[in-house]
Amino acid sequence: SQQGEEDPQALSIQEGENATMNCSYKTSINNLQWYRQNSGRGLVHLILIRSNEREKHSGRLRVTLDTSKKSSSLLITASRAADTASYFCATDSEIQGAQKLVFGQGTRLTINP
Amino acid sequence: NAGVTQTPKFQVLKTGQSMTLQCAQDMNHEYMSWYRQDPGMGLRLIHYSVGAGITDQGEVPNGYNVSRSTTEDFPLRLLSAAPSQTSVYFCASSYGIRGYNYEQYFGPGTRLTVT
Repeated sequence: SQQGEEDPQALSIQEGENATMNCSYKTSINNLQWYRQNSGRGLVHLILIRSNEREKHSGRLRVTLDTSKKSSSLLITASRAADTASYFCATDSEIQGAQKLVFGQGTRLTINP
Repeated sequence: NAGVTQTPKFQVLKTGQSMTLQCAQDMNHEYMSWYRQDPGMGLRLIHYSVGAGITDQGEVPNGYNVSRSTTEDFPLRLLSAAPSQTSVYFCASSYGIRGYNYEQYFGPGTRLTVT
């Protein structure tokens, strides 16, 4: 079962534009995390936002969390070619009586020069 | 620090063969986990561990065994490989016994093909 679902599945923009990706989840969470994966590589942690936080920034990244709508968004401003990657959200979800970290299917972002 | 290391990077198995995917971390993390990544499916949790001697099942545990005899190592065993286990496998580690609450450190992955 996938707790988080990213939208859109794929996004293609011009360099310099802003990119917004969304993540929706089904059950209550303690935190939500965003990761980046370059082609053929492992995942790299970007930002963790706790359930009592509404917004968090890290460089050109801005993450928002709306627990009432069970959704989060990742905004990348002034995109660069190096931002081309897949982006995943992950949430702690109760599965078979225990909290586990579950990932969504990801958004594939392409930045065109 | 080497972080999280995985071996091998690539492996081809025949149906029915067994093998062990190795994972090690040098950050003294309690929480370790194994994920598989298939095209269009994101990452799915196979097994995880909250410390030496303690393991538990994830979303897709069938066909896989794990053990955690030390804090550093968390091997994943395929007892009888099947074509459905063709995938990229990632090991991750994190701080504390509630590692799902913290940043995960991922290894580079093992690409497994079962023919």
